[in-house]
Amino acid sequence: NSKVIQTPRYLVKGQGQKAKMRCIPEKGHPVVFWYQQNKNNEFKFLINFQNQEVLQQIDMTEKRFSAECPSNSPCSLEIQSSEAGDSALYLCASSPGQNTEVFFGKGTRLTVV
Amino acid sequence: AQSVTQPDARVTVSEGASLQLRCKYSYSATPYLFWYVQYPRQGLQLLLKYYSGDPVVQGVNGFEAEFSKSNSSFHLRKASVHWSDSAVYFCAVTPQGTGSKLSFGKGAKLTVSP
Repeated sequence: NSKVIQTPRYLVKGQGQKAKMRCIPEKGHPVVFWYQQNKNNEFKFLINFQNQEVLQQIDMTEKRFSAECPSNSPCSLEIQSSEAGDSALYLCASSPGQNTEVFFGKGTRLTVV
Repeated sequence: AQSVTQPDARVTVSEGASLQLRCKYSYSATPYLFWYVQYPRQGLQLLLKYYSGDPVVQGVNGFEAEFSKSNSSFHLRKASVHWSDSAVYFCAVTPQGTGSKLSFGKGAKLTVSP
């Protein structure tokens, strides 16, 4: 069973509000990922980190998304100004290293009303 | 363009029957391949993975998958399904050597009927 911990499990925000979710990766896993899963089961890779450094990220042109993985603190994903289209399941995952299997948390389900 | 295709969005089988869920990928080189399962209100759980070697790989709960380079496929199989196997199954791939960012198929919702 995965030991990736995501909080909160459910998050409800009004349009324009900030939405912040957190992730504690599995111990000893330096690589962390964030994915967005929409209601059509389409996954969008958002960003990944190795330790505190960004490895890859999509072109968050809207600049509403930000993420960080500080040392000795949970990783976080924040949406600055939530929109209805952001309603989705946000999955955090961790891995022992690049090109190895990835373990997912249970996700944070964001609903923007 | 690189892609992962799961052609069967919904599959219904009777308990005790055999199962095959199909996955085809389009990548310029052989990627790493995975099958994940997602139960309601849960994250993704890894069923099995293929990196290299024997094209038939065994996973958890009696699942296995077969890699075919010639067909660019990685089909999931189970000899006898149980009602508890009802879930959504995702095929995922990542190109070798470029980090572990996964590309997913759209999933296959499996319903096991009594």
